[in-house]
Amino acid sequence: AQSVTQPDIHITVSEGASLELRCNYSYGATPYLFWYVQSPGQGLQLLLKYFSGDTLVQGIKGFEAEFKRSQSSFNLRKPSVHWSDAAEYFCAVLQPGNTGKLIFGQGTTLQVKP
Amino acid sequence: GAVVSQHPSRVICKSGTSVKIECRSLDFQATTMFWYRQFPKQSLMLMATSNEGSKATYEQGVEKDKFLINHASLTLSTLTVTSAHPEDSSFYICSARGLALETQYFGPGTRLLVL
Repeated sequence: AQSVTQPDIHITVSEGASLELRCNYSYGATPYLFWYVQSPGQGLQLLLKYFSGDTLVQGIKGFEAEFKRSQSSFNLRKPSVHWSDAAEYFCAVLQPGNTGKLIFGQGTTLQVKP
Repeated sequence: GAVVSQHPSRVICKSGTSVKIECRSLDFQATTMFWYRQFPKQSLMLMATSNEGSKATYEQGVEKDKFLINHASLTLSTLTVTSAHPEDSSFYICSARGLALETQYFGPGTRLLVL
């Protein structure tokens, strides 16, 4: 069965430092991958997605992610974190077939130190 | 584009009453909408998939008689929590899938508190 693992439950970085959030997936074919961000008490906002093509994907708010098939990973990166980036981040993979269902990772809480 | 709204954003009700939550796609037609439940500090749990004009498909363990879902149009789905109890208190989030079938767009969520 397909699954998504976010190994880091909680990450703290200093403002201005670089960030990498890890995501590993289990999937037989080429996955459709997503990163979403959730601010406290809010819904999820799509940061970026990967379906095919260039394995380095650019998203909103200065985020990017790289699809690495050999490592079954889709890590999210940002070169310089802002205090407003503090939030919950979810990696997800689209379930195969036409259900449209997403399989979410457990989420990573990002805390930003001043 | 791809904006999804939810109403109400927050609701408090007494135990035993029913609560309806609306999910609307504002600028696109949503052939499919999804309803999730999220507990504090946890990931989203899919409750059901709602397709316009047909019955919702519920995930295992979700009581369909308790969580009534209606998807009457391509822009509106509703979730009714019937005879709500304190254990139904949670954060409910909807999402909608449009023409770009692979991508779900999420609403801002509804905080339900049952007293």
